[in-house]
Amino acid sequence: QVQLVESGGGVVQPGRSLRLSCAASGFTFSNYGMHWVRQAPGKGLEWVAIIWYDGSHKYYADSVKGRFTISRDNSKNTLYLQMNSLRAEDTAVYYCARDVVAVAGHDAFDIWGQGTLVTVSS
Amino acid sequence: QSALTQPASVSGSPGQSITISCTGTSSDVGGYKYVSWYQQHPGKAPKLMVYDVTNRPSGVSNRFSGSKSGNTASLTISGLQAEDEADYYCSSYTSSSTVVFGGGTKLTVL
Repeated sequence: QVQLVESGGGVVQPGRSLRLSCAASGFTFSNYGMHWVRQAPGKGLEWVAIIWYDGSHKYYADSVKGRFTISRDNSKNTLYLQMNSLRAEDTAVYYCARDVVAVAGHDAFDIWGQGTLVTVSS
Repeated sequence: QSALTQPASVSGSPGQSITISCTGTSSDVGGYKYVSWYQQHPGKAPKLMVYDVTNRPSGVSNRFSGSKSGNTASLTISGLQAEDEADYYCSSYTSSSTVVFGGGTKLTVL
């Protein structure tokens, strides 16, 4: 079935780096734009980044621009989020999500992973 | 990019209808048709309920409907049921090619 599975979360010290992965299955990964969305404990949803279906365009929230990098490997059906210079305020559950419309993308998310928790603490 | 504005909470009795508003600007909600709504139960991933202002994904009840007027989008839930109790978030595409979420609305079914 259509599925997204995140991995790579954990506890990391401020200023350090972490890379999240999101393994896709059950659909043609290379046809869809992909997003990262996060949710701090007890807080609302915050969009983080998007990468187009072919990797040609990437956009970021101001809060992570210059520190986070989204990428994908369509041959491995995997999405990544490289997070550098982590801060306490980056502590959140990180979800990967698929755009609802193939190729064109409508910036709505119909398939979500289960989320992976990133805790930034000394 | 500032978050879209949603009421912190709404409530209704079973069978009633409720509407959740989502106010942005002409640079997001008012400028594009890419407004979406999500339902989130505690400890679960969000679920897409409406996209492109009015479209429902396959499998979503027709009790959920979306609309937009100017810079404000709305989600209406009719025939309220106990299982509708959850947090609801709106989101919109923006003129910066990014996405912005609302702060979320907690729906209580009385």
